[in-house]
Amino acid sequence: GESVGLHLPTLSVQEGDNSIINCAYSNSASDYFIWYKQESGKGPQFIIDIRSNMDKRQGQRVTVLLNKTVKHLSLQIAATQPGDSAVYFCAENSDSGNMLTFGGGTRLMVKP
Amino acid sequence: DGGITQSPKYLFRKEGQNVTLSCEQNLNHDAMYWYRQDPGQGLRLIYYSQIVNDFQKGDIAEGYSVSREKKESFPLTVTSAQKNPTAFYLCASSFRGPQHFGDGTRLSIL
Repeated sequence: GESVGLHLPTLSVQEGDNSIINCAYSNSASDYFIWYKQESGKGPQFIIDIRSNMDKRQGQRVTVLLNKTVKHLSLQIAATQPGDSAVYFCAENSDSGNMLTFGGGTRLMVKP
Repeated sequence: DGGITQSPKYLFRKEGQNVTLSCEQNLNHDAMYWYRQDPGQGLRLIYYSQIVNDFQKGDIAEGYSVSREKKESFPLTVTSAQKNPTAFYLCASSFRGPQHFGDGTRLSIL
């Protein structure tokens, strides 16, 4: 498949370990945040979202943490599996519509 | 199955040629979007449409055109004025929540 990003920051973890992917967002007025997973040659896939009135939200094996004070978002993946290998993007929404601003992405590599 | 279908998966353009990328959704979403993705970069917005028969320019609209004649369809034309069209093009749609994406079209220059 095609490479999504050749020069992305990369996080390499051992299978079974927990992964933490970080994102600094730019707009203090942003009130909705989304994490996407993108596998090579495919479109981004929704993982989890969080609104600004929350600081933590959990899904299946994933947790998103939001720190509005320092404009920081993180995605935690528990018991990382080889199928988690992908590029992960954060996105923020700061208007009343559905417009998103995307971060540059982080490549997660899972070592067996 | 509900989703977003982009076609073709791979497309080649000759110099001076316009090409059209297809995007169809059966999610009944009002809003649709086109993004461009280059290696090492995030997604950049080309055009978006919040409703049928209306669309707005995004951050990098020069050299591109769109139409929104039907709710389910939002085709993107890459014109000859776009001097660096080689990229991965992604279409998305949404309704009050996260945007959902198709699997993209990779455009290359012959």
